[in-house]
Amino acid sequence: DVKVTQSSRYLVKRTGEKVFLECVQDMDHENMFWYRQDPGLGLRLIYFSYDVKMKEKGDIPEGYSVSREKKERFSLILESASTNQTSMYLCASTGTGYDGYTFGSGTRLTVV
Amino acid sequence: GENVEQHPSTLSVQEGDSAVIKCTYSDSASNYFPWYKQELGKRPQLIIDIRSNVGEKKDQRIAVTLNKTAKHFSLHITETQPEDSAVYFCAASNPNTGFQKLVFGTGTRLLVSP
Repeated sequence: DVKVTQSSRYLVKRTGEKVFLECVQDMDHENMFWYRQDPGLGLRLIYFSYDVKMKEKGDIPEGYSVSREKKERFSLILESASTNQTSMYLCASTGTGYDGYTFGSGTRLTVV
Repeated sequence: GENVEQHPSTLSVQEGDSAVIKCTYSDSASNYFPWYKQELGKRPQLIIDIRSNVGEKKDQRIAVTLNKTAKHFSLHITETQPEDSAVYFCAASNPNTGFQKLVFGTGTRLLVSP
């Protein structure tokens, strides 16, 4: 009954590559989020979207962009991957009420 | 913007002991405070949450308390078991920012020894 699916569990990319991380939810949620998780830093918000084609910057948007062409899909794009973007990336979604997030399983990205 | 601090960063207890994790937040307008548990290699999962109109909420062995005046909230786990070992994250949300955006603490690694 997986409800938020991230397309890749592990990725290894080279410096300078354009990287796409995909997230799909099947709960008809309006809000979707991308966080990165680093030891000692917790979860930091990169971007979020509250509707199709709508996006808002989070706390650490530099070097990232996002796309939401359909309600169920939210993509995170690393325009030119750098080694400091090596991290665990977590996608989450929630509806309009305060029901908490449902997280995806995460994508561990390594940039070499 | 909101800032959430979480302590301790690591916590080791013996099975059967209680564990307490504390968080403070900076934005007095925040009114929703969830706690997430992340087991090794797994996704964070919501275990309990509290809204600002209540001071305490319990669910079996876990409870959360909220002190709005002091701007802090705590997670209490009683009769800890080895399966409680995980990283726990607190979070806060200000409804005025819209979109149910959560600001997370830095996490507490709880280790319960048999």
